Amino acid sequence: EVQLVESGGGLVKPGGSLRLSCAGSGFTFSSYMMNWVRQAPGKGLEWVSSIISSSYIFYADSVKGRFTISRDNPKNSLYLQMNSLRAEDTAVYYCARSELPLNGFDLWGQGTPVTVSS
Amino acid sequence: EIVMTQSPAALSVSPGERATLSCRASQSVSSNLAWYQQKPGQAPRLLIYGASTRATGIPARFSGSGSGTEFTLTISSLQSEDFAVYYCQQYKNWPLTFGGGTKVEIK
Repeated sequence: EVQLVESGGGLVKPGGSLRLSCAGSGFTFSSYMMNWVRQAPGKGLEWVSSIISSSYIFYADSVKGRFTISRDNPKNSLYLQMNSLRAEDTAVYYCARSELPLNGFDLWGQGTPVTVSS
Repeated sequence: EIVMTQSPAALSVSPGERATLSCRASQSVSSNLAWYQQKPGQAPRLLIYGASTRATGIPARFSGSGSGTEFTLTISSLQSEDFAVYYCQQYKNWPLTFGGGTKVEIK
C-alpha cells in the first residue's frame, strides 16, 4: 500500500526539542520531493519545509534556523528536527509527497500532533 | 512571498447544487496552482494541480480553471461527501503558500 506514516509528536515545553519522522512505503521514496506541512488548531495549512536532496532544501521563514529537514532514502524516511520550540509551533504536522517537477502534494500522512506548552 | 486569498470564507450550498470557490494570488503564479479538500480529522487530499488537471481518482464533478492570479474551483453537483474545507496552494515560488480555505457547508 502506498502510504506515509508520521511519528514522534507529543507534548514539549517551550524552548525544547522534538524530532518527527515520516516513513514512506509502496513507492520509490528517493524519486520524490518530500515536505512538511502543519496545521495549528482550528487554522489553515502552513507549508514548513521541503527537501529534494541535501543540496536542495527550503524552509518557511517562521522555522528557519530552528527546524532541520533531512531524509534517509535507503530507509524510506523523512525527518524534521525541531529545536527552540515555541507555543506558536503547536500544530498537527503532516508529511507529504510531491513529484518533480512540482505538481502539488499528491500523498499525505495522517499527521502527528505537536503541543508546545509549559 | 505570494499571498493566496480565498473567497468566500464559507459557502452554504444545498446537495445537488453547484459550488464556485475562488482563489486569488498576489502576483502571477501562471498555472502552478493546486486545490485540496480536507474533511474534519483527516489529512488534505489533492484534487486539482496545474490549475485544471484532476488528480488521480478525483470525480469529474470537480473542475479547476484560471491562470495568472485568478483561479476557480467548481463542484458541479455537490454530493454529501463534498462538504469540507478547500484550500488552494501556489507552487510557483518559494515559500510555497496556501490560501486560508473555504468551508463548504450544507444549506
